[in-house]
Amino acid sequence: NAGVTQTPKFQVLKTGQSMTLQCAQDMNHEYMSWYRQDPGMGLRLIHYSVGAGITDQGEVPNGYNVSRSTTEDFPLRLLSAAPSQTSVYFCASSYGAGLDTQYFGPGTRLTVL
Amino acid sequence: KQEVTQIPAALSVPEGENLVLNCSFTDSAIYNLQWFRQDPGKGLTSLLLIQSSQREQTSGRLNASLDKSSGRSTLYIAASQPGDSATYLCAVNFISGGGADGLTFGKGTHLIIQP
Repeated sequence: NAGVTQTPKFQVLKTGQSMTLQCAQDMNHEYMSWYRQDPGMGLRLIHYSVGAGITDQGEVPNGYNVSRSTTEDFPLRLLSAAPSQTSVYFCASSYGAGLDTQYFGPGTRLTVL
Repeated sequence: KQEVTQIPAALSVPEGENLVLNCSFTDSAIYNLQWFRQDPGKGLTSLLLIQSSQREQTSGRLNASLDKSSGRSTLYIAASQPGDSATYLCAVNFISGGGADGLTFGKGTHLIIQP
């Protein structure tokens, strides 16, 4: 199993550009989530999904959209990038509604100029 | 708002020592607590998951304990090695979030094991 994969590893955007961060898992996990990690702030939840077709907001959802059309994929879209979205983004997955061990991807390091 | 606090923020010890990392949380109503390891520039690796009904979990040289009533968890690392150098994160799944509302993370303990 590849586990949780994320692409790209690094990305530089200009303010106002849009992009999609990709996340995929091959463990047949129902629960998937996105976090951002900022220095001094720890990891914070952006959006999560308890299954295909179901998504919900986390602690810091503004400026981000998600969709879950398949069990395997959970892309994160930045609609109009802002410098405040410069961060490292992690995707995670687990069985059940997040009540089991959560497995994290390697992260995407995003810089918005 | 629930919070998770980790003390100390940084720790440097000689190789071979046993050490304890601390985690405290503000609400005892939790589903579980998970300890992670993060190497520089890398993702998070799950070390141990303790369900709310459990008191401790062990994996190799690692032992994590949970005292829900006092809102504390400790991660004990025995016979530390330079390869244990990393940032250790504590994360709690609070019941008030419905379980699906993700993990609340501490800011981590940056551990350096001196050869």
